[in-house]
Amino acid sequence: EVQLVESGGGLVQPGGSLRLSCAASGFTFSRHWMHWVRQAPGKGLVWVSGISSDGTTSNHADSVRGRFTITRDDAKNTVYLHMNSLRAEDTAVYYCARDVRALGVMSFFDYWGQGTLVTVSS
Amino acid sequence: DIQLTQSPSSLSASVGDRVTITCRASQTISMYLNWYQQKPGEAPKLLIYAASTLQSGVPSRFSGSGSGTDFTLTISSLQPDDFATYYCQQSYSNPTWTFGQGTKVEIK
Repeated sequence: EVQLVESGGGLVQPGGSLRLSCAASGFTFSRHWMHWVRQAPGKGLVWVSGISSDGTTSNHADSVRGRFTITRDDAKNTVYLHMNSLRAEDTAVYYCARDVRALGVMSFFDYWGQGTLVTVSS
Repeated sequence: DIQLTQSPSSLSASVGDRVTITCRASQTISMYLNWYQQKPGEAPKLLIYAASTLQSGVPSRFSGSGSGTDFTLTISSLQPDDFATYYCQQSYSNPTWTFGQGTKVEIK
């Protein structure tokens, strides 16, 4: 059974840092792109960051580029989101998601974790 | 950047109704369009990928169509379990992904 379990959320002051983790199980982790998607309270889904299956390619939304970094450790089947210079507008539930490719190119997110809440407030 | 605009933002419908949600892309995205369902307090669930392919385990009352810039999610006969928020997502601009703003389906 595929499982994604996020951890590391919590309350942090503006300007602070946090590292989120997403532990994966039930599939061959090293074969998949992985992503972080966030949802501010009462708002919609926003893609944040993604990392390729081999870890050589990553990208971030403009709103977090330069402040957030996505990494992965295939030995631990875990993807991380390193968040620095946090702002109030980063307050959200952060989900990790597994990427699957139809026909090798059409990406979609077929499994999601339960989410971890990050609150940025003084 | 590719923007996705969903319409309507919300709708009220009754059990048994046929419901249609539209997603329009700001530029052509071929069939690189997915649909998700999210219920309050839960993670999103994949319904349809590549515009029209039903994800395994998803009821056949859900269907998707479209290509280019205009896409549709249809629920043929709305069931009580379908009251939720629905999001479209594009993957054409990989490695950047975008979601629509969501459509909330409420009970009339």
